[in-house]
Amino acid sequence: QQQVKQSPQSLIVQKGGISIINCAYENTAFDYFPWYQQFPGKGPALLIAIRPDVSEKKEGRFTISFNKSAKQFSLHIMDSQPGDSATYFCAATGGSEKLVFGKGTKLTVNP
Amino acid sequence: SQTIHQWPATLVQPVGSPLSLECTVEGTSNPNLYWYRQAAGRGLQLLFYSVGIGQISSEVPQNLSASRPQDRQFILSSKKLLLSDSGFYLCAWTQSLNTIYFGEGSWLTVV
Repeated sequence: QQQVKQSPQSLIVQKGGISIINCAYENTAFDYFPWYQQFPGKGPALLIAIRPDVSEKKEGRFTISFNKSAKQFSLHIMDSQPGDSATYFCAATGGSEKLVFGKGTKLTVNP
Repeated sequence: SQTIHQWPATLVQPVGSPLSLECTVEGTSNPNLYWYRQAAGRGLQLLFYSVGIGQISSEVPQNLSASRPQDRQFILSSKKLLLSDSGFYLCAWTQSLNTIYFGEGSWLTVV
């Protein structure tokens, strides 16, 4: 119930391609789903977040897609750039539950 | 605006030596405070969290401890470090259960 399952563990994409990272959850009390971006040697930083009342949220090249019935959400990075190379964490929280993180996806964008 | 400071940024400690990592948050009051550990290339492991002065909850039993002597100060300690304590330690804060803000992290190498 507390887990957020994230896949893939690592991802290699060519510059200009689309990066897709998927997450799934079980706890139906979760109602806030943020994504964090972490560069090597730095703390994670909030990238984008979504609530389940919308199916998609877009900020620049980053889009979250949310499927409430399937209890899945995903991060799409359009026109991926080498500067997007980082580790991405999905997370979920809701009700009285603390933020639960996925295990992370290491994205490498080749030039 | 709120900021979080964490130090030292890096340290190398011998096995059996004590540890003290300090974190302070500015620009907010009564934050929830967290200590996370991230082993190399791994996910985020919640170690401790605090909802107020002197209130500490431990998520994982280990030889580490945490204290919150002031509202915006959070300290991670150990009396005797183990090799397995090596990792990237992150302090974080939040005013709600939703978005967590991380510090820059402290690299600990136990030799």
